[in-house]
Amino acid sequence: ETGVTQTPRHLVMGMTNKKSLKCEQHLGHNAMYWYKQSAKKPLELMFVYNFKEQTENNSVPSRFSPECPNSSHLFLHLHTLQPEDSALYLCASSQDPAVSGNTIYFGEGSWLTVV
Amino acid sequence: AQSVTQLGSHVSVSEGALVLLRCNYSSSVPPYLFWYVQYPNQGLQLLLKYTSAATLVKGINGFEAEFKKSETSFHLTKPSAHMSDAAEYFCAVSDQGALTFGSGTRLQVQP
Repeated sequence: ETGVTQTPRHLVMGMTNKKSLKCEQHLGHNAMYWYKQSAKKPLELMFVYNFKEQTENNSVPSRFSPECPNSSHLFLHLHTLQPEDSALYLCASSQDPAVSGNTIYFGEGSWLTVV
Repeated sequence: AQSVTQLGSHVSVSEGALVLLRCNYSSSVPPYLFWYVQYPNQGLQLLLKYTSAATLVKGINGFEAEFKKSETSFHLTKPSAHMSDAAEYFCAVSDQGALTFGSGTRLQVQP
C-alpha cells in the first residue's frame, strides 16, 4: 500500500472510445502528477497539479485531459487515443513541488492498451 | 535543465554478489537525487534520497548510494544481491519540484 491508489489497473480501449483513469492519494499531499512510462523510453512527466492548479503541462497532446477537483483526486480523461499511447500511466503525489528535494510517491499504475 | 544518465540498461549478478548500478547527473545547482525501484507490474518505490545532509545515503532493503561531486555520480550499491532484488532501478533528479528520470537499469540476479 503506497498511499496512492490508481484505478483501473488495466484498461483496453478502442481509438474512438472515451475513458478515464482515476487516482486518489491518502497522504495529505498538496501536489499530484501524471507520468507516462512506455517501453524503452524514460518516464515522461505529463502534468503537475499543485493545490488543484495545473502548474505544468509537458507538451502533452490534447487527447489527454487532466482534471484535479481537489488535492486528493486526479483524473486523466482519454479521448481518441492512438496505439502509440499504450503505456503504463503512473500517478504520484508529493507535499510541495516548490520545496527542493520534495519526495514523490507513486501509485501502482494503470496499464493502458489502445487497440 | 537537470538530467541523469544511467550506464547499462541491463546488469546481471549472481546471488550474493555485489550490486553496482551507475548513475551520473548533470546539474547547475546542488542536486537532490533519488533512486527508485520498480518490481514487475508495480509502480515506483523510493529506495533512498540524497539531500546534501550526508554523502553516503542508506536506503531500504540494504541498498546505499554515495554522492560524489567530483565525479558527478550517485551510484547505487548493495553488498550482497538477493533474488528478490531483481527489478528495474531508476535514478532521478529533482527538477523544479518534479522528477526527471534516467532510462532505468534492469537488474537480474542469477541463482
